[in-house]
Amino acid sequence: DTEVTQTPKHLVMGMTNKKSLKCEQHMGHRAMYWYKQKAKKPPELMFVYSYEKLSINESVPSRFSPECPNSSLLNLHLHALQPEDSALYLCASSRDSVTYNEQFFGPGTRLTVL
Amino acid sequence: DAKTTQPTSMDCAEGRAANLPCNHSTISGNEYVYWYRQIHSQGPQYIIHGLKNNETNEMASLIITEDRKSSTLILPHATLRDTAVYYCIVRSNMEYGNKLVFGAGTILRVKS
Repeated sequence: DTEVTQTPKHLVMGMTNKKSLKCEQHMGHRAMYWYKQKAKKPPELMFVYSYEKLSINESVPSRFSPECPNSSLLNLHLHALQPEDSALYLCASSRDSVTYNEQFFGPGTRLTVL
Repeated sequence: DAKTTQPTSMDCAEGRAANLPCNHSTISGNEYVYWYRQIHSQGPQYIIHGLKNNETNEMASLIITEDRKSSTLILPHATLRDTAVYYCIVRSNMEYGNKLVFGAGTILRVKS
């Protein structure tokens, strides 16, 4: 199984809502990533988790809160978002994050903030 | 500063070879060249990577010039399903965090 799954596929939320994005992989990977992709732009790294611990935060605003409850799951908790946060949120995983190895991406969650 | 330069877009006839160039004139000795692609409404997908030798796998070939300042990704028989944004990424294998920094990429349109 080389699949990374993400739920939901689409999400519409108001600026006062709290919602969560979920990502799951069963490849035994110990590194997981969140990327943000605005329309017609390349993906931008947000967070890296290594062995369930946050190892990189690319200066992401605190209204985005990642969580890695176990080695297969990665969540992104959203609170008080702004309309400019509307984007495709991509999750990825890799064997580890110590050195380079191939990242496997999920299909993304398309988020609209009203 | 961008580490790579790619054309904004390219067209290719179905069944023909698609040759996607990438300039990386400031590449250093320990940096590899990676290619990912992103088909519309999907996440990026790894294609191939190399250091200085040419590489081939079931998806593509990667030709790196001798001075390593540029490379070409070759899809030998492009199909409509190869229409995607292709990203050329330069990075060191020892860079902490296994980070991928995507540039603007090349939009490849395969036409019948």
